[in-house]
Amino acid sequence: EPEVTQTPSHQVTQMGQEVILRCVPISNHLYFYWYRQILGQKVEFLVSFYNNEISEKSEIFDDQFSVERPDGSNFTLKIRSTKLEDSAMYFCASSEGRGGLKTQYFGPGTRLLVL
Amino acid sequence: GNSVTQMEGPVTLSEEAFLTINCTYTATGYPSLFWYVQYPGEGLQLLLKATKADDKGSNKGFEATYRKETTSFHLEKGSVQVSDSAVYFCALSLYNNNDMRFGAGTRLTVKP
Repeated sequence: EPEVTQTPSHQVTQMGQEVILRCVPISNHLYFYWYRQILGQKVEFLVSFYNNEISEKSEIFDDQFSVERPDGSNFTLKIRSTKLEDSAMYFCASSEGRGGLKTQYFGPGTRLLVL
Repeated sequence: GNSVTQMEGPVTLSEEAFLTINCTYTATGYPSLFWYVQYPGEGLQLLLKATKADDKGSNKGFEATYRKETTSFHLEKGSVQVSDSAVYFCALSLYNNNDMRFGAGTRLTVKP
């Protein structure tokens, strides 16, 4: 069964450093997403991406964040200058279409620790 | 706004006990409703979903019925197993929105 994959599974970085989290969505999916889950808290939406541009973003997704689909398979989340509060599990997801009728399939996550 | 409220955990049950995890929602439109499960050390897996009122989603012995009149989508299982120990998330998604709204999650521990 096709699945969303993410790399790395764990990332430790120093505050102020840039990190890039990578995702390979399911191959025939058109919509891509990033969510985060701070330890012990809710899963929160960050951004959705379609047709090579951001379609929606939350208030969490500020100028420190950017997303890119650099080739036909990868989808990346970049955090330019990490802060301690960016420590979280980051989930990538993809879906065939937009909105509630199309299920979002999640990857296993990347656990980011900012020191 | 659009949101999901789940019963607080943790929930601890003995094997073969009956499980209910309550979930209610608030939405401006007609949401699709989901239950995701997160096993220890893993990501979110779709457990079941329902896209319209009175639909019942089911998978692996779990069931949830979309109740528009009570704005609820409670998760049930008749006989839990140790392997069901995980965190369960209720979520909604609107037709015209891409972001899913998750509940806080309910940690279930099943003891032999």
